[in-house]
Amino acid sequence: DTAVSQTPKYLVTQMGNDKSIKCEQNLGHDTMYWYKQDSKKFLKIMFSYNNKELIINETVPNRFSPKSPDKAHLNLHINSLELGDSAVYFCASSQKGPQGSPLHFGNGTRLTVT
Amino acid sequence: AQSVAQPEDQVNVAEGNPLTVKCTYSVSGNPYLFWYVQYPNRGLQFLLKYITGDNLVKGSYGFEAEFNKSQTSFHLKKPSALVSDSALYFCAVRDAGAGSYQLTFGKGTKLSVIP
Repeated sequence: DTAVSQTPKYLVTQMGNDKSIKCEQNLGHDTMYWYKQDSKKFLKIMFSYNNKELIINETVPNRFSPKSPDKAHLNLHINSLELGDSAVYFCASSQKGPQGSPLHFGNGTRLTVT
Repeated sequence: AQSVAQPEDQVNVAEGNPLTVKCTYSVSGNPYLFWYVQYPNRGLQFLLKYITGDNLVKGSYGFEAEFNKSQTSFHLKKPSALVSDSALYFCAVRDAGAGSYQLTFGKGTKLSVIP
């Protein structure tokens, strides 16, 4: 199936731990994103990569570090997890172009920090 | 800066009635406008977009949206609501002239279709 897939779907961990979320897309897109959705369902862009180059880096703690080994993958590593990091993290992809390419989202990773 | 407002947290409509979910936007240039739907425990799914051309755009599942430049609005509509349309709906905008990849989302509107 063509899709944006992210793993794991659920992640429960304790404060202070380090964790990673992986994302892969097989849509042939050249741009990938990480979004954070909080408990009120508000969506906020965190990072975006185009062809492995960081192009959007919003104000997020530097405990969050994205890594793009190739244009089909964008992983998110989080150091020293805090309670406030609990949220649903969505990976998305799109194709750069002048016509406003829509984003394709994964199904999310629900991170719970205890 | 670009922004989106969805003035209603929740919209309730009876099955079979028409529905409207409101969205207004602000950009410095021309807008690219999008509607997405989110079902529980799922990612956002693209419904439709306005780039240029006809102000009325049609999308998936019988939804349509009307672009109104003077009112800076892009309301989502459907002539006859289904119970299965119950979900969270997000409006989003990108400034076409800014050369930006950044898509800004509204806070979402929960649509409940009552049988």
